[in-house]
Amino acid sequence: ILNVEQSPQSLHVQEGDSTNFTCSFPSSNFYALHWYRWETAKSPEALFVMTLNGDEKKKGRISATLNTKEGYSYLYIKGSQPEDSATYLCAFGLNTGNQFYFGTGTSLTVIP
Amino acid sequence: GAVVSQHPSWVICKSGTSVKIECRSLDFQATTMFWYRQFPKQSLMLMATSNEGSKATYEQGVEKDKFLINHASLTLSTLTVTSAHPEDSSFYICSARDQKYGYTFGSGTRLTVV
Repeated sequence: ILNVEQSPQSLHVQEGDSTNFTCSFPSSNFYALHWYRWETAKSPEALFVMTLNGDEKKKGRISATLNTKEGYSYLYIKGSQPEDSATYLCAFGLNTGNQFYFGTGTSLTVIP
Repeated sequence: GAVVSQHPSWVICKSGTSVKIECRSLDFQATTMFWYRQFPKQSLMLMATSNEGSKATYEQGVEKDKFLINHASLTLSTLTVTSAHPEDSSFYICSARDQKYGYTFGSGTRLTVV
């Protein structure tokens, strides 16, 4: 079982603050890194699929970077809004099979 | 976009009974379906991978006779927890893979065995 770590485990920020979290994964046999946004009682929603070292992707106020050589990805949220409150999951995929290994997630609460 | 419908959202059953969880891809054909389980404060763990029309591939430590997976069509996969026990209480979630949409998750099923 591969170790995918996310930090922090939970985060409370004020509306309007910018924030970021980390996903750490093994640096060998990299295939892809996925970020998901998961609201309670809903399906995880795919945010980004990152495949190349140095990738930077953006979707509205949310962006992500990828460093496959050192094994980490950052997710940034600019000007957090209450609707950003959710658990953010990352999943690491090996180049040797179908399986993706998930982190335990970062739970974000944005306080109005 | 792609949608995977998972039912039921939650279920409570008595110890020794069986429970079936369904995942349907609503607007695409899911050639591959993945079944995950999540215990409290732990990450999603892959249980098995199923391809339409063939036997599922189970991850190490997952009992194939206890967790029966059927993927008889390109739009439906089922997970049956047979002779459920309290230690099977968990959150189960499916994910379908399609060439066009990549990975799409269902909304999960909370199983409680009493």
